[in-house]
This record gives sequence, structure tokens and C-alpha cells, in this order.
Amino acid sequence: EADIYQTPRYLVIGTGKKITLECSQTMGHDKMYWYQQDPGMELHLIHYSYGVNSTEKGDLSSESTVSRIRTEHFPLTLESARPSHTSQYLCASSPLGQGGRSEKLFFGSGTQLSVL
Amino acid sequence: DAKTTQPPSMDCAEGRAANLPCNHSTISGNEYVYWYRQIHSQGPQYIIHGLKNNETNEMASLIITEDRKSSTLILPHATLRDTAVYYCIVRVASGNQFYFGTGTSLTVIP
Repeated sequence: EADIYQTPRYLVIGTGKKITLECSQTMGHDKMYWYQQDPGMELHLIHYSYGVNSTEKGDLSSESTVSRIRTEHFPLTLESARPSHTSQYLCASSPLGQGGRSEKLFFGSGTQLSVL
Repeated sequence: DAKTTQPPSMDCAEGRAANLPCNHSTISGNEYVYWYRQIHSQGPQYIIHGLKNNETNEMASLIITEDRKSSTLILPHATLRDTAVYYCIVRVASGNQFYFGTGTSLTVIP
């Protein structure tokens, strides 16, 4: 079992509220990722980090922001939630590749966000 | 990273082998083939990966053609719990991201 945790599992919130989705992993992985997925659709990378104080935007533009102050923690924040932000948000982590060897992604259970 | 092509959906009878194909004709020599699956509303789960040789683990077998342009994931004895979306991904080691695509929705029928 992968030791990566996301909270909350479900969140229903009103428009304009600030929210933070939590993601923590206990595997000491340097790389962490946030994906966004609508029902029946592809996963889209919105943010990733290669380590502490490193954050990058993914291939899907997102109004959310992330921070990486500690290795194990990679929270995602929406300053002002809107109905268009309704989606499932999946956090993942992986170790840094070593000597060209491949890596595996480990996913959390996701947060289903509904903005009314 | 090379893109992959998978059939959108497949059915398999419970207890039979499920063979899920994937085309990756533009794969380059340093790209691995990965398989993940996603059971409804959960995060994707790693299944298996390989570079050139066929691979087997407790979950599945991965058969990669000699020219590496296609591969097949084999679930030897499918159960109802194997119903999921299966993603085939090709990616260089230590690449920036995994591109999941739309995958194959496998339904195991009792």
C-alpha cells in the first residue's frame, strides 16, 4: 500500500471561498504531483514539484497554487473557488529516478471538490 | 514522450485472461512502457512496467513486441474486481510527467 494521503475526501463549498486540499506522503519521495480529472475524462497534470521550494505548472492551466515547504507535504490552494473548479483532484508522488532506472507513481485516493 | 493508442473499451468473462493492447509506434529507445489502472473514483494504481523484455509480477504480465511498437497487458484470470480503466503510458526514465490519456475501460462480466 502506498503511504500517500489526501484530505478531505469530499468537499462541498460555496463560490468565493478559499480552500486548501491537503496531500501528505510518508515515503520520503522528492517528486510530487497534482492531477485534475473530470468524470470519464483524462487526468491532467496541473502542478508538480521536484523537492522542497520547487514548484512548476503542468500542462493544464489552473488557477490553483501549490507550495512545497516540507518534503512530505504538497498542499493545493484555491483563493476563490468557482463552479468551474468542480472536479476530482488527485495527488501523487514518486522517488527521483536513479541512474536512469524507471520510476513509479503512487496516488492518493483523491479529493472530490464541488463548488456551488 | 511518445503517445499511445488503446481501444476505448473491452469486455472479458470472469476467470478468463484479459488481453489489453496498446500501440506506441513512435516509442524511442529510452522510453519505458508503464501500465496503470484506475478503479472508479480512486487514484490510479501501478500495475507493471518494462523496457524491452517481457515482464511478469503478481498482478499481470507485460508482453512487448520485438520492435517495441506495441505491447499487451495480460491479466491471467480476470475477476470482477479487475473492472477498471487501464492506462498504457510510455515515458523516459525520470521524465517530467506521466501522460495518462483516456485508457481502456475493461468490464469483467460474471
